[in-house]
Parts: sequence; C-alpha cells; structure tokens
Amino acid sequence: GAGVSQSPRYKVAKRGQDVALRCDPISGHVSLFWYQQALGQGPEFLTYFQNEAQLDKSGLPSDRFFAERPEGSVSTLKIQRTQQEDSAVYLCASSEQADTQYFGPGTRLTVL
Amino acid sequence: AQSVSQHNHHVILSEAASLELGCNYSYGGTVNLFWYVQYPGQHLQLLLKYFSGDPLVKGIKGFEAEFIKSKFSFNLRKPSVQWSDTAEYFCAVKARAGGSARQLTFGSGTQLTVLP
Repeated sequence: GAGVSQSPRYKVAKRGQDVALRCDPISGHVSLFWYQQALGQGPEFLTYFQNEAQLDKSGLPSDRFFAERPEGSVSTLKIQRTQQEDSAVYLCASSEQADTQYFGPGTRLTVL
Repeated sequence: AQSVSQHNHHVILSEAASLELGCNYSYGGTVNLFWYVQYPGQHLQLLLKYFSGDPLVKGIKGFEAEFIKSKFSFNLRKPSVQWSDTAEYFCAVKARAGGSARQLTFGSGTQLTVLP
C-alpha cells in the first residue's frame, strides 16, 4: 500500500526566504509527527498532531517554524525567514493511535 | 526527558561476521523500544520493536534485539551479516507515560559497512 509521501524531496532556499514542506500520511493514520535530522545525527522531534489538533510543539526550534494539519490528513511544515542552521532533512511520520511510526522519504532543505 | 546513546558511530564487518550494535537509554519509566534502518537512498524503515512480554524480539531480515531492563539496554544482533545489510541503524525510545509524550527519541545512529 501507499506509504508516507513528502514533497518536495529537495528544496534549496536563499537565506530569508519562506519555505513550505508537505506531508501526506498513510490513509487513516490519526497521528502525524515532524522530525528534523541534521547531518550525521538521528532525527529530532519537532511537533505532533492527533487528527487536526497539534498536541505537542515543544520541539519547534523557534517561532519561525509553524506546522498545520487543518483537515486531519495532509500536513504542512512552514519555515519563515530561513537561516543556514535550518538546513537539514525534515521527516514526516504517521501512525495509528501513536503506535509504530512509519516514515516518509524526507525533504532535504538547503539554505544558502 | 529521555535520551538514547549509540556508542558505535561506524562499524565495519566482513560478510558472515556476527553483529551487535549497542543501544542504551535513560528514562526512569516504562518505554517502548525500536530499531530503525536506513538503507542508502531510502527512508527509515522499522526493523523491530519491543512493547512488552518476551524481552528477546525478532525482526525482519534475521535481526533480533534483547531488552535488558536492568541495564537500560536494547542491543541489536544478527548472527551473520550480508553485504546488503550495509546501512545506518537507529535505536529509538518512546516513553509510555500518559499525556502527549508520544514522540520518538533517537540515538545518533550507527553506520554499518559490510565488506563483500
């Protein structure tokens, strides 16, 4: 069956630009997570949704980061005024009732 | 907050050698434990997981892991590796507390290279 998909797969932005990263979870999965993976590191938690409710955003590194999931399915992670330290792979994962998480391929963001 | 340590950053083995990758976590409560694998150019995939019951869990592709509660460890093992096992391996923990603590905390990963 279809897994988690993310788009774009690669994004290059100039410092100061805004970017929007999309995640399509597995159909019917209630829970959706965003993680940030820096080079040579494991993924780090950013935020968590249960349906359309954002239940935890404690991992968002600054108020330039914003995530939404308005209809409880597709989610968008937005980064405003990108900085070089935002360069990373952004991973989306979905699960049924916060059980096993299934990951998408990620979006590699490079900020120049 | 929980944390996960993977002590080996890069492991190099010859085919047919045995593998053991270390994973230790720090958290005082009950946890769920996972090993994920990332093959070159692919996304993270679940290898195996432990929620409760038998502390020796078997996963895909001949991998297994043993949860030792007293040592806060969840080491990954495979008796005989293959070239196709070359990948990065991540250990992860999820606290089974109430509330919204549902996210995974990952270790920094171990890159396994298997020489043919």
